[in-house]
Amino acid sequence: GQQLNQSPQSMFIQEGEDVSMNCTSSSIFNTWLWYKQDPGEGPVLLIALYKAGELTSNGRLTAQFGITRKDSFLNISASIPSDVGIYFCAGQLYYDKVIFGPGTSLSVIP
Amino acid sequence: EAGVTQFPSHSVIEKGQTVTLRCDPISGHDNLYWYRRVMGKEIKFLLHFVKESKQDESGMPNNRFLAERTGGTYSTLKVQPAELEDSGVYFCASSQIILAGGSGNEQFFGPGTRLTVL
Repeated sequence: GQQLNQSPQSMFIQEGEDVSMNCTSSSIFNTWLWYKQDPGEGPVLLIALYKAGELTSNGRLTAQFGITRKDSFLNISASIPSDVGIYFCAGQLYYDKVIFGPGTSLSVIP
Repeated sequence: EAGVTQFPSHSVIEKGQTVTLRCDPISGHDNLYWYRRVMGKEIKFLLHFVKESKQDESGMPNNRFLAERTGGTYSTLKVQPAELEDSGVYFCASSQIILAGGSGNEQFFGPGTRLTVL
């Protein structure tokens, strides 16, 4: 079945630093998604990407849909303590189920 | 607008018992999905309803799991009898419309039900 690899598995950074995380897939998707999960909450959609090569920003977040449709990255600039959480990349075919990556755990040291 | 809600937030049961989880999707969302995350692993798809019909149940682990969505509104997921490996967080998500790509397919997740089977 489809599998996503996400790196790094965890990150410890200083407040104010930039963060970059990547996701690769064994197969193509029509849509790439980036979610964040806070403790005790469900995943919250941060950015959705619909076209190969698309680069999208949402505040301090920037994400890109890879040209091959098999990869994506998420950058967070000038990290702040509330950025702490688990970040999941995910792929989707049309309205189909969402396939999640294993997640990147982000810790921000004030 | 209220988000996806799930009940209960936590459930602790003994092996062999039955548990029923409930999900209320966002009003007007025809698509309802169940996912779960077992310890240390990724969030995995269980099944997908379109209104009251099961569109895709390929992720259901076995016949101890039964999902229903009578009337096309809220959904229940019953585990009977529960086993130790069923422990995890069960998420429900809903989405509004179906498009062949493009916006509108975003799935909104509930807070999850944490199930512990002892």
